[in-house]
Amino acid sequence: EVQLVESGGGLVQPGGSLRLSCAASGFIFWNYWMHWVRQAPGKGLVWVSRVDSDGSSAHYADSVEGRFTISRDNAKNTLYLQMNSLRAEDTAVYYCVRDGAAGTFEYWGQGTLATVSS
Amino acid sequence: EIVMTQSPATLSVSPGERATLSCRASQSVSSNLAWYQQKPGQAPSLLIYGASIRATGNPVRFSGSGSGTEFTLTISSLQSEDFAVYYCQQYNNWPRTFGQGTKVEIK
Repeated sequence: EVQLVESGGGLVQPGGSLRLSCAASGFIFWNYWMHWVRQAPGKGLVWVSRVDSDGSSAHYADSVEGRFTISRDNAKNTLYLQMNSLRAEDTAVYYCVRDGAAGTFEYWGQGTLATVSS
Repeated sequence: EIVMTQSPATLSVSPGERATLSCRASQSVSSNLAWYQQKPGQAPSLLIYGASIRATGNPVRFSGSGSGTEFTLTISSLQSEDFAVYYCQQYNNWPRTFGQGTKVEIK
């Protein structure tokens, strides 16, 4: 069974940093691209970032480019999102998502809430 | 960036009735269109991909159609567990983009 378990969310002041983690199990982690997708309270879904299977290539939404860094440790089956220079508008539930064979978002974690507020 | 527009924003349907949800892309996405279901307090789950292929484990009452810029998700006979928010998403171009969602509520 595919499992994705996020952690690392919490309350941080504007300008601060958070590091999210996602522990993956139930599949061959290093075979898949991985993504972060976020959802602000009461709002829709927004793709944030993706990393390819060996971590050599990453892609970001314009809204987080230069502030967020996605990475992975295939030896630990773990995905990360380093979030710096956080803004109030980054407040959201962040979901760790496994890429599907067809390029969709096939499996989702339960999410971790990051709140940026003074 | 491809803009995905869903309609209606809210759909009020009685159990057992048919629900039809629409999704339009600002430019062609071929058949690279997925639908997701999100129940309150839960993560989204993949329903349909390739515009019309049901993801594993989803009931046959869910069907998708369309290509290019116009897509439809149909729920043939709504069950109580189907009341949720549905999102369409294109995966033809980067960035991947979602529609704003259609909430299917009990009439």
